Amino acid sequence: GAVVSQHPSWVICKSGTSVKIECRSLDFQATTMFWYRQFPKQSLMLMATSNEGSKATYEQGVEKDKFLINHASLTLSTLTVTSAHPEDSSFYICSARDGTGVFEAFFGQGTRLTVV
Amino acid sequence: GQSLEQPSEVTAVEGAIVQINCTYQTSGFYGLSWYQQHDGGAPTFLSYNALDGLEETGRFSSFLSRSDSYGYLLLQELQMKDSASYFCAVRGPGDTGRRALTFGSGTRLQVQP
Repeated sequence: GAVVSQHPSWVICKSGTSVKIECRSLDFQATTMFWYRQFPKQSLMLMATSNEGSKATYEQGVEKDKFLINHASLTLSTLTVTSAHPEDSSFYICSARDGTGVFEAFFGQGTRLTVV
Repeated sequence: GQSLEQPSEVTAVEGAIVQINCTYQTSGFYGLSWYQQHDGGAPTFLSYNALDGLEETGRFSSFLSRSDSYGYLLLQELQMKDSASYFCAVRGPGDTGRRALTFGSGTRLQVQP
């Protein structure tokens, strides 16, 4: 299957700082990528849809000024958590589809963010 | 919008068969998927049903009844490594490439020796 690489796999940062998470499609082009957040023992919640060359679409309740998404190329989307607070500590996962498998989504390894 | 319901936990023994149910409500239906997620890992695709009936993939099978808005994942010959969380998911509206997945709450399967 297609490969989606996410980096870093874990990060610890201080409150008030910003953290950038990268999501790359390694062997296919992804015009659309998705960012999810998952709190412990909970489901994956869609945060935003990242569209190459245009603005991201955010889900209700997700602050677009806090979670900056950039999808500057067909293989890279970035999520920047700005002015991070302890309540932003979570597991962030990106996803993409390769355009051939209509139903299957490929996920990055996830990023465990801890804000102290 | 979409919503999906699953049991929160299931426990079974090695070698047994377990069924994880999922009921859903969607404004439009584009198929039901199943994903497995081990602790600390990313979800991995298991199965997909667009039409009614049973899809079999090795030890895993998935069933869909669109009239009942219901599906299940069947795991046979359970192994310890099957201990994980299992999510059903449906796709949202929009063109194919832009449809995000909405996940159920997840079922934590614990396989005991």
